[in-house]
Amino acid sequence: EPEVTQTPSHQVTQMGQEVILRCVPISNHLYFYWYRQILGQKVEFLVSFYNNEISEKSEIFDDQFSVERPDGSNFTLKIRSTKLEDSAMYFCASTGVGGFNTGELFFGEGSRLTVL
Amino acid sequence: SQKIEQNSEALNIQEGKTATLTCNYTNYSPAYLQWYRQDPGRGPVFLLLIRENEKEKRKERLKVTFDTTLKQSLFHITASQPADSATYLCAISDNTDKLIFGTGTRLQVFP
Repeated sequence: EPEVTQTPSHQVTQMGQEVILRCVPISNHLYFYWYRQILGQKVEFLVSFYNNEISEKSEIFDDQFSVERPDGSNFTLKIRSTKLEDSAMYFCASTGVGGFNTGELFFGEGSRLTVL
Repeated sequence: SQKIEQNSEALNIQEGKTATLTCNYTNYSPAYLQWYRQDPGRGPVFLLLIRENEKEKRKERLKVTFDTTLKQSLFHITASQPADSATYLCAISDNTDKLIFGTGTRLQVFP
């Protein structure tokens, strides 16, 4: 069964360092998303990406965040200068034609980011 | 303000009983509502989607209702099993390109 894969599964970094989280969405999907979940809290939307551009972003997704689909298969989330409050589980998700409103959103297993 | 509310207290039930979880929303007019399951340390897994013109949707032991007047969805698991123990998330779209999740309700099924 196709799945969304994410790397790394866990990353520890020092405050102020840049972090890149990587995702390989399901191959024929067109819509890509990043969500995050701080420990014990709800899953929060960060950004959606379609047709090689951001289609929607939340207030959390400030200038320190960026997304890219560099090679048609990987989908990356970059945090330029990490803060302590960026510590969370980051989930990548994708869905096919029609977007998530017509079907399910497939999530990866997450990348846990710990900022010290 | 916009809210999606799920019971933050854990729901504890005995194996074989029906679990009923509630999702209430305010200041949204979603065309679709979805339910996901999340196990500790794992990503959410899609369970069911229900549209605003559908009152009820079933899939095996799962049933979802959607009342746009009450602004509420109910999620039922019949003949519950210990393997059903997880956190269940309600999610809606605000007609933009984002799916918004509730806080989730943890279900614990005891043998």
